[in-house]
Amino acid sequence: DTEVTQTPKHLVMGMTNKKSLKCEQHMGHRAMYWYKQKAKKPPELMFVYSYEKLSINESVPSRFSPECPNSSLLNLHLHALQPEDSALYLCASSQEVGYGYTFGSGTRLTVV
Amino acid sequence: EDQVTQSPEALRLQEGESSSLNCSYTVSGLRGLFWYRQDPGKGPEFLFTLYSAGEEKEKERLKATLTKKESFLHITAPKPEDSATYLCAVPSYNTDKLIFGTGTRLQVFP
Repeated sequence: DTEVTQTPKHLVMGMTNKKSLKCEQHMGHRAMYWYKQKAKKPPELMFVYSYEKLSINESVPSRFSPECPNSSLLNLHLHALQPEDSALYLCASSQEVGYGYTFGSGTRLTVV
Repeated sequence: EDQVTQSPEALRLQEGESSSLNCSYTVSGLRGLFWYRQDPGKGPEFLFTLYSAGEEKEKERLKATLTKKESFLHITAPKPEDSATYLCAVPSYNTDKLIFGTGTRLQVFP
């Protein structure tokens, strides 16, 4: 299995909703990442997990809450989002931090 | 400061018209340079990793090369299905970050 699987593919949520994005990989990678991408812009790093511990939080607002339950799973919990948070959210993994990133196909999030 | 710059921002080619995309980088110590292809609404798809100056890698109509300051992605006889945004990225030397360039949007017309 050489894939990073993200669910759901599309999500529409209201500003008062709570939802979660899920990411799964079975490549034995020990680093996992959340990126946010706006249209016609490169991906922007949000969080890095290394060996299931949060190693980077790029000053992301607290309405985004990451969780790494085990080495294969990464969640992003969403609460009280704003319309400007609408974007493509990408999960990625790598064997170690800094090497061979594999990206998932993303979750298209729309906040209404 | 670690930095990645791509040019041109956009490129329109006729089918079969070969060209090159540029990625210039500034990083304290290169731990690899990655090329990705991204289709609209999809995640980046890994193409190549280059680790040292002089290294070259090929895949179908694409060839990536690396010097001490830049990388080129050469596209030979492109087809419309090569239309996508091409991103290059380097790992930051001191942190766990992957630094992306702003990408080149390639359109190939029949």
